[in-house]
Amino acid sequence: QVQLVESGGGVVQPGGSLRLSCAASGFTFSSYGMHWVRQAPGKGLEWVAFVRYDGSNKYYADSGKGRFTISRDNSKNTLYLQMDSLRAEDTAVYYCAKDSVGRGYTYGATFDYWGPGTLVTVSS
Amino acid sequence: DIQMTQSPASLSTSVGDRVTITCRASQSIGSSLNWYQQKPGKAPNLLIYAASSLQSGVPSRFSGSGSGTDFALTISSLQPEDFATYYCQQSYSSPFTFGPGTKVDIK
Repeated sequence: QVQLVESGGGVVQPGGSLRLSCAASGFTFSSYGMHWVRQAPGKGLEWVAFVRYDGSNKYYADSGKGRFTISRDNSKNTLYLQMDSLRAEDTAVYYCAKDSVGRGYTYGATFDYWGPGTLVTVSS
Repeated sequence: DIQMTQSPASLSTSVGDRVTITCRASQSIGSSLNWYQQKPGKAPNLLIYAASSLQSGVPSRFSGSGSGTDFALTISSLQPEDFATYYCQQSYSSPFTFGPGTKVDIK
């Protein structure tokens, strides 16, 4: 069965950096686009970033452009989110999510499987 | 960017009731609309994709309708496990925006 497990969250000071990881199993990771979605405490869902199955296309929400970098290592079945220049408003649970469509598509942007999330707290 | 709105923001209802949640996009998105259910402390779960297609394993009491800018999620007979927050999300273009959510709780 499909499994996604995020790690790397924690407490970081404003201006600091953090790298999140998402370990994938139960499907052919190298054939599917992947996303990061976040949720601030008590708030709604916000899409953060997408990377195509082969890493050739990446899209970002304006909130993370220039500060966040999404990447993947298909040999390790792992998705990453490098977050730099962190702000208090980046405090959230960060979920990785699998795109429903595979090779042959740039994206489907339908999130059919999600990890349990990892909490990032930006605070001094 | 495409803005998504939902109504109502919350509703109090009873087991067995029929519930309809609406979602509106700021521009036409065809059928590129998904619905998710989220329970407290858990990740969201995909219910409906492409406006009206039921995700595998989701009970048939959930249905979706609409196209263009106006969409609806209907639960035909609310069950105790359906009390949750529901989000719509457009998959038409990046950024892939979500609606603000509709919380369904017990009357």
